[in-house]
Amino acid sequence: GAGVSQSPRYKVTKRGQDVALRCDPISGHVSLYWYRQALGQGPEFLTYFNYEAQQDKSGLPNDRFSAERPEGSISTLTIQRTEQRDSAMYRCASRGAGNTIYFGEGSWLTVV
Amino acid sequence: QQQVKQSPQSLIVQKGGISIINCAYENTAFDYFPWYQQFPGKGPALLIAIRPDVSEKKEGRFTISFNKSAKQFSLHIMDSQPGDSATYFCAASYVRDDKIIFGKGTRLHILP
Repeated sequence: GAGVSQSPRYKVTKRGQDVALRCDPISGHVSLYWYRQALGQGPEFLTYFNYEAQQDKSGLPNDRFSAERPEGSISTLTIQRTEQRDSAMYRCASRGAGNTIYFGEGSWLTVV
Repeated sequence: QQQVKQSPQSLIVQKGGISIINCAYENTAFDYFPWYQQFPGKGPALLIAIRPDVSEKKEGRFTISFNKSAKQFSLHIMDSQPGDSATYFCAASYVRDDKIIFGKGTRLHILP
C-alpha cells in the first residue's frame, strides 16, 4: 500500500477482553515496529520484526502482550485480558532499505 | 532508564524567531539521530537526521547540531512559522536495523 495501514483506528473494549490490532506495512518493507504512545508522550518501543522474525521484544510490558508477523508482511499485536492501564495509542511503523521509519496513524485503544 | 532526554517540554516562539530543542543521550553506541515532527492526529514523520561523524546538518530552515563529546544534539528551526507548530521528538538508534528510542517530545507553538 501507499502507507502504513492500521486497524481498527478506534477500539473500545471491556476490561478482561482480548484485543488484536493489525498493521499492514508499506509494501516491501522488511522491518516492522510496534510502539505505544501515551497522550503527550513520545513513542515507547514495544517490539520489532525483520521479515517474520521477531528481533526484539524487550519493550513488551508483560506476558499479556504478544506480536506476530507470520508471513513477513502483516503483523498483529495482541493484548490478552486487557486492563485499564493498557489504554493508549498503539502505532505501527515500517522501514525499507533506508533509515527512515514510516508510522501509521495508529489504533486508539480504550479499556473500560 | 531514559536513554534519550529531551528539553524543553514545551516552547513558545514568535513568528520569525529561532526555535531550539535539545536532546541528550547516554549510549555511545548510538549511531543515528533523527528528529521527528508530529501534527495532532497524525503519526510522527521524519524531519531531519544526522550521524555522529558530522557536527552539523542543514536542510532548509532546519539544522541539527551534534556534539559527540557531550553526547548532545539539538534541532534549530530558523525563521519559525506558525505551520511549524507541532510536537517534535528526538530519537536515537544503535544500528540501522535496530529499534529507535524516542525522547518524550517538545510541544512547539509559534505565535503568529
